Amino acid sequence: EDQVTQSPEALRLQEGESSSLNCSYTVSGLRGLFWYRQDPGKGPEFLFTLYSAGEEKEKERLKATLTKKESFLHITAPKPEDSATYLCAVYTGGGNKLTFGTGTQLKVEL
Amino acid sequence: NAGVTQTPKFQVLKTGQSMTLQCAQDMNHNSMYWYRQDPGMGLRLIYYSASEGTTDKGEVPNGYNVSRLNKREFSLRLESAAPSQTSVYFCASTPVGSGSYEQYFGPGTRLTVT
Repeated sequence: EDQVTQSPEALRLQEGESSSLNCSYTVSGLRGLFWYRQDPGKGPEFLFTLYSAGEEKEKERLKATLTKKESFLHITAPKPEDSATYLCAVYTGGGNKLTFGTGTQLKVEL
Repeated sequence: NAGVTQTPKFQVLKTGQSMTLQCAQDMNHNSMYWYRQDPGMGLRLIYYSASEGTTDKGEVPNGYNVSRLNKREFSLRLESAAPSQTSVYFCASTPVGSGSYEQYFGPGTRLTVT
């Protein structure tokens, strides 16, 4: 059974204080790893797809990286508007189903 | 291009009542999904439809039924609502066949069963 574990559960940063969120996975054959952002009361918003170890993707202050066992979402010089819950999901094939982690709730304060 | 839309946005039911949650996408996606999201549990797959005319159970299908009405629409029905079905429900779709597997989500339906 595919398992996805995200840490920490919650993270509080000061504006400009860079940090990383972790997504570790145990799967039979990774075909894609996805990062989403979810704001309160909204649906998850797609951010990145990573397909193979060593791959990196960037978008504004966010950078996602992938190894054979985990992915990191690096947040550089965060701003209050980066506050949200960040979700990680894996795809291993079969019905096009994703397995989600429980998320990291990020709060960036002035 | 509205993406994935869901109706209603909020609903309160009494135990034993039935209702249908509606979902539509205008992105010509093949696969569609229904999830529920509960605190500390993450997103859990209820049912999915890999393509028009097919549906399959996900992780937590008990108490639910689905209909893939056409390529655009995928509905979720609660025949006899229970308090344990109080949750936020999300519909999603994905453009299978293009080599992409990311899912695009609707805004959600917040359901309370009393």
